[in-house]
Amino acid sequence: QITLKESGPTLVKPTQTLTLTCTFSGFSLSTSGVGVGWIRQPPGKALEWLALIYWNDDKRYSPSLKSRLTITKDTSKNQVVLTMTNMDPVDTATYYCAHGYSSSWLVGAFDYWGQGTLVTVSS
Amino acid sequence: QSALTQPASVSGSPGQSITISCTGTSSDVGGYNYVSWYQQHPGKAPKLMIYEVSNRPSGVSNRFSGSKSGNTASLTISGLQAEDEADYYCSSYTSSGYVFGTGTKVTVL
Repeated sequence: QITLKESGPTLVKPTQTLTLTCTFSGFSLSTSGVGVGWIRQPPGKALEWLALIYWNDDKRYSPSLKSRLTITKDTSKNQVVLTMTNMDPVDTATYYCAHGYSSSWLVGAFDYWGQGTLVTVSS
Repeated sequence: QSALTQPASVSGSPGQSITISCTGTSSDVGGYNYVSWYQQHPGKAPKLMIYEVSNRPSGVSNRFSGSKSGNTASLTISGLQAEDEADYYCSSYTSSGYVFGTGTKVTVL
């Protein structure tokens, strides 16, 4: 059974750096084809993809946020960490991590999601 | 990359069929067969309903079906039920990563 859970601060100040951790079980990020992504959703708004990391440490970032994002993995701890620098109130959102489904070495969808964690950016 | 375009709302009566469109470009929807659809109930995490344009994950009702023509993908819900009332998002792989749709609120009348 695949499960994921996000953890991190619920409140950050503008200009600070946000660090979120996704702790998962039921799969290994050392298995070929596996990926874990981050997606966020501002209150009342649509989903927005942020970043993805593959089992082989290949990393992909949203072009519009690439300069602010870093995604890393710790295979031994079954964790994926996302950092986002220079936080702004517009970054207030629920942040989700999700397991990537891949049928041909490429993640084409996100089939298991964490419950999400609401991060508020305010002074 | 711009969000994929979906109608803001679609409604139907129980038992009816509805279709939600998802319009992108040749760089996303039209260029890859990696279109997926997600259902999201209020306060809940999204749930994968369709992947790779038309495939249903195990456990998803066969009332949900997906298709694609050119730069537009579609999700059809047949035999609409009260529990189908939710927000729906499409998503597509792109050369830059992934892009989600603007979201559609489905109301069961």
